[in-house]
Amino acid sequence: DQQVKQNSPSLSVQEGRISILNCDYTNSMFDYFLWYKKYPAEGPTFLISISSIKDKNEDGRFTVFLNKSAKHLSLHIVPSQPGDSAVYFCAARNTGNQFYFGTGTSLTVIP
Amino acid sequence: KAGVTQTPRYLIKTRGQQVTLSCSPISGHRSVSWYQQTPGQGLQFLFEYFSETQRNKGNFPGRFSGRQFSNSRSEMNVSTLELGDSALYLCASSSGGGAGANVLTFGAGSRLTVL
Repeated sequence: DQQVKQNSPSLSVQEGRISILNCDYTNSMFDYFLWYKKYPAEGPTFLISISSIKDKNEDGRFTVFLNKSAKHLSLHIVPSQPGDSAVYFCAARNTGNQFYFGTGTSLTVIP
Repeated sequence: KAGVTQTPRYLIKTRGQQVTLSCSPISGHRSVSWYQQTPGQGLQFLFEYFSETQRNKGNFPGRFSGRQFSNSRSEMNVSTLELGDSALYLCASSSGGGAGANVLTFGAGSRLTVL
């Protein structure tokens, strides 16, 4: 039962343009949402998070949007850089501190 | 502050054998979680330990087990290995608190290959 879904396995974007990564979830009881970035042969690293009581959080080039009514989360990267090429996982946390991850979206930023 | 350390980084086993993986969390973190990553399946949750007690458990067979020691270090064990157990096993630590920005910090993983 996949409670967090990333329906796009891959995405290619030109350098300097916006990258939009999407994520859907099914459990309305999740209280925190996170994005992680993963390079090959490394563990995922935390990128940005958002509480369920907010609808937007921004950190430099990265912005996460939360639409609770649609149970939808998105990550915007502006402008995209070649170093952003990686696999991005979205995750959701329930009140029992259990985290659920999506299957990942592989982002390629073309120079 | 040292990060999450996982050992070994790579290992090869044959079907039927068993394996033990180790994880040392960030100092002060009391929660350790284990995930299995396979192509196309994302990160599948195995279990979480907090203060030496299993607090959450995913949908994996009983061949997968774990434990946590008093210093918060954790081990996971897989018995009677199957080919499908080949994966990257990731350990993550966190403060374990339920409120606020409780973020998982991952180790680099242990790559297990079962032949």
